[in-house]
Amino acid sequence: DGGITQSPKYLFRKEGQNVTLSCEQNLNHDAMYWYRQDPGQGLRLIYYSQIVNDFQKGDIAEGYSVSREKKESFPLTVTSAQKNPTAFYLCASSAPGTNSLYGYTFGSGTRLTVV
Amino acid sequence: QQQVKQSPQSLIVQKGGISIINCAYENTAFDYFPWYQQFPGKGPALLIAIRPDVSEKKEGRFTISFNKSAKQFSLHIMDSQPGDSATYFCAASMDSSYKLIFGSGTRLLVRP
Repeated sequence: DGGITQSPKYLFRKEGQNVTLSCEQNLNHDAMYWYRQDPGQGLRLIYYSQIVNDFQKGDIAEGYSVSREKKESFPLTVTSAQKNPTAFYLCASSAPGTNSLYGYTFGSGTRLTVV
Repeated sequence: QQQVKQSPQSLIVQKGGISIINCAYENTAFDYFPWYQQFPGKGPALLIAIRPDVSEKKEGRFTISFNKSAKQFSLHIMDSQPGDSATYFCAASMDSSYKLIFGSGTRLLVRP
């Protein structure tokens, strides 16, 4: 089945530690995105990538980094510079310009907690 | 101009009633308007979407109404069921930008 896989489902980070969240898709989508969701809040865009080896900052990129070495993969690193990383992280992908109504496909999320 | 404003923040409806969630946008270049449904601990899933060349789209109990002149669109859930209890997000984008702009979400509770 085609879809997006995020791992791990739960992640615990110690103060000062970098952690990496995995996102893999087999939908052959060109674009991938990372969103952060805080309790009772909307979705805030962290980074997005339109094509392999290229990515752009979203609205809240500080303290995060990404890479896009393969079309299928878009990992997110939460660095020690991110002072309040506890949140639910969502990865998504899309096939822009296809004139479809399908929009984004989201993964099931990773819940990151600072301990 | 990139914002999508969503209301209400929360909504309580009795089973069988109609749930209505509203969104407004400023950017007239937006040409794609989806609604997403999110259950706790899960990623959002596309519920229904519309382009501005139509004023209404219906899929089962879910209907999008679109008012281009007012720059508003809304989600109507007919015969609301307890299983519809979730958070709903509206969004908008220009295809060429690759980016969806999300509303702040509405937490819907349907009482039995």
